[in-house]
Amino acid sequence: DTGVSQDPRHKITKRGQNVTFRCDPISEHNRLYWYRQTLGQGPEFLTYFQNEAQLEKSRLLSDRFSAERPKGSFSTLEIQRTEQGDSAMYLCASSLRDPSYNEQFFGPGTRLTVL
Amino acid sequence: GENVEQHPSTLSVQEGDSAVIKCTYSDSASNYFPWYKQELGKGPQLIIDIRSNVGEKKDQRIAVTLNKTAKHFSLHITETQPEDSAVYFCAARSGGSYIPTFGRGTSLIVHP
Repeated sequence: DTGVSQDPRHKITKRGQNVTFRCDPISEHNRLYWYRQTLGQGPEFLTYFQNEAQLEKSRLLSDRFSAERPKGSFSTLEIQRTEQGDSAMYLCASSLRDPSYNEQFFGPGTRLTVL
Repeated sequence: GENVEQHPSTLSVQEGDSAVIKCTYSDSASNYFPWYKQELGKGPQLIIDIRSNVGEKKDQRIAVTLNKTAKHFSLHITETQPEDSAVYFCAARSGGSYIPTFGRGTSLIVHP
């Protein structure tokens, strides 16, 4: 399967714990995006990378959130000191840099439940 | 920033009927409008998109129309089938950004 993959698919944690999610984009895609989706809402942008550089962060990305893409391939999203309000689906997407190719390909998401 | 409104939130139709989902946007600089389909347990998948220099685009049973003056765009699905049942999201993106703003989604239910 050459699509975007995310791991884990589901994560249940207790409030105050740290969690880390991984995203593997489509191999030739140099742009990688993280979104958060809550029930009844569309995806909300968190941050994106072009290769290893983090180019934009949403105000939704509080200080407890950090994302990395160290080698310009896979990315990790870490949430420290989780809160119940962090419960959501975390989606990763990737795309080509070329503006002629606008499509973002989404992964299946990681569903986070904070108890 | 951009604001995208999507209606209806739920749409129930009989197999074979047509379905129409409507979206409005606020930023007149937006020039790219994708539509995504999200099935249960999966990420959104692009089904059709349209740029601001085009008024209509069609792909088999799916079509999208864009009215730049009124700042609204619509998704039309003809001859609906049960496998069309899913949540559909519209989005709008400005030319200077790679980040789309999504609507809140429409849950389409096609009854056999």
